[in-house]
Amino acid sequence: QSVLTQPPSASGTPGQAVTISCSGSTSNIGSSAVSWYQHVPGTAPRILIYINDQRPSGVPDRFSGSWSGTSASLAISGLQSDDEADYYCAVWDADMHGWVFGGGTKLTVL
Amino acid sequence: QLHLQESGPGLVRASETLSLTCSVSGGSVGSSSYFWGWIRQPPGKALEWIGAVYYSGRVYYNPSLNSRASISVDTSQNHFSLELTSVTAADTATYYCAPGYNSGWWFPWGQGVVVAVSS
Repeated sequence: QSVLTQPPSASGTPGQAVTISCSGSTSNIGSSAVSWYQHVPGTAPRILIYINDQRPSGVPDRFSGSWSGTSASLAISGLQSDDEADYYCAVWDADMHGWVFGGGTKLTVL
Repeated sequence: QLHLQESGPGLVRASETLSLTCSVSGGSVGSSSYFWGWIRQPPGKALEWIGAVYYSGRVYYNPSLNSRASISVDTSQNHFSLELTSVTAADTATYYCAPGYNSGWWFPWGQGVVVAVSS
């Protein structure tokens, strides 16, 4: 059971938008920067968002991050079939003195 | 551009010690720009942070591992390593290494190495 709560699954049709939430607490999201990763099993996880809402070069602007208080969100617009993957949020937790990952959200493009 | 590659045995006997190495190219493990960490994914489960070593020498571990993990840096070989003692079937996972940035993100990740624990 992760200290960061994500919905286990999300879905959408090509072209639609979807949002994945990540709920934490004052010791993690409420006090440190959130990053988001896309992971296709068997491959290296890919950074999508860092410092809550910053997008590394090479990541399409269809991906965006936001946060408020103790929750963060990843929004994906214009869904494409190759967006099918698992998505994880991650943040430093001051109480645990360590990094925590969310439980992951499996995105299906119908 | 940093590039990381994990290596180690794919099979470890239960109760023994799992030892993995992460070779770094395109940068130095002695750099103050990064910290270095290990993350794993058991089959069908989520990513789990194992631990990280910082430029200061300080090392943090996931408390759930009950002091079984040890991470060290070898600047002469430009790699860092993970040892996990007293392994059980629950330690079967794909193990990833990655550099972390002080602003709070991990990039780029290694391709991962699959480790199975046999009884």
